[in-house]
Amino acid sequence: AQSVTQPDIHITVSEGASLELRCNYSYGATPYLFWYVQSPGQGLQLLLKYFSGDTLVQGIKGFEAEFKRSQSSFNLRKPSVHWSDAAEYFCAVGARTGFQKLVFGTGTRLLVSP
Amino acid sequence: EAQVTQNPRYLITVTGKKLTVTCSQNMNHEYMSWYRQDPGLGLRQIYYSMNVEVTDKGDVPEGYKVSRKEKRNFPLILESPSPNQTSLYFCASSFTRETGANVLTFGAGSRLTVL
Repeated sequence: AQSVTQPDIHITVSEGASLELRCNYSYGATPYLFWYVQSPGQGLQLLLKYFSGDTLVQGIKGFEAEFKRSQSSFNLRKPSVHWSDAAEYFCAVGARTGFQKLVFGTGTRLLVSP
Repeated sequence: EAQVTQNPRYLITVTGKKLTVTCSQNMNHEYMSWYRQDPGLGLRQIYYSMNVEVTDKGDVPEGYKVSRKEKRNFPLILESPSPNQTSLYFCASSFTRETGANVLTFGAGSRLTVL
């Protein structure tokens, strides 16, 4: 069965500093990989996804993520964080065959300090 | 505008009083799903539907029912709500890929409190 681990419950970053949010997955093969962001009082919005090809994926709002098969990881990065990036971030995995379901991690809440 | 609409956005109810949370999408998506979000647990799938009249249980279906009589609507029914169903609920939809998962479009969420 698929599973996703986001080891950091909270992260605080200074505005302008770089950011890396960790995501590790467990799956029998290479899954489809997603990062979603949830701003306060809002639904989840897709930041980026990896289906195949280049393992460095660019997303919206200046985010990127790198798929590392050897580490079963899909970490999210941003070179310079803005106050508006404060939100909760979810990593998710989905099967490549058959079932449509996405399995989500428990989320990482990002706080941005002035 | 392409969207998933949930109603109500906020609801406080009492134990045992039946309620329905509606979900509607205007993107002609085949796949629809309900998730609940709880602190420290992330999003867990309650029920999903691959198309009209095709529904199945997710990971936490107990205490919930769904129906899919029309492609655009996927209501979540709590026949006899209990306090442990206090949660933030999300409806989501997507096209069905030929194989494997697809990008979900989420509604804004419905915060339910059961007293």
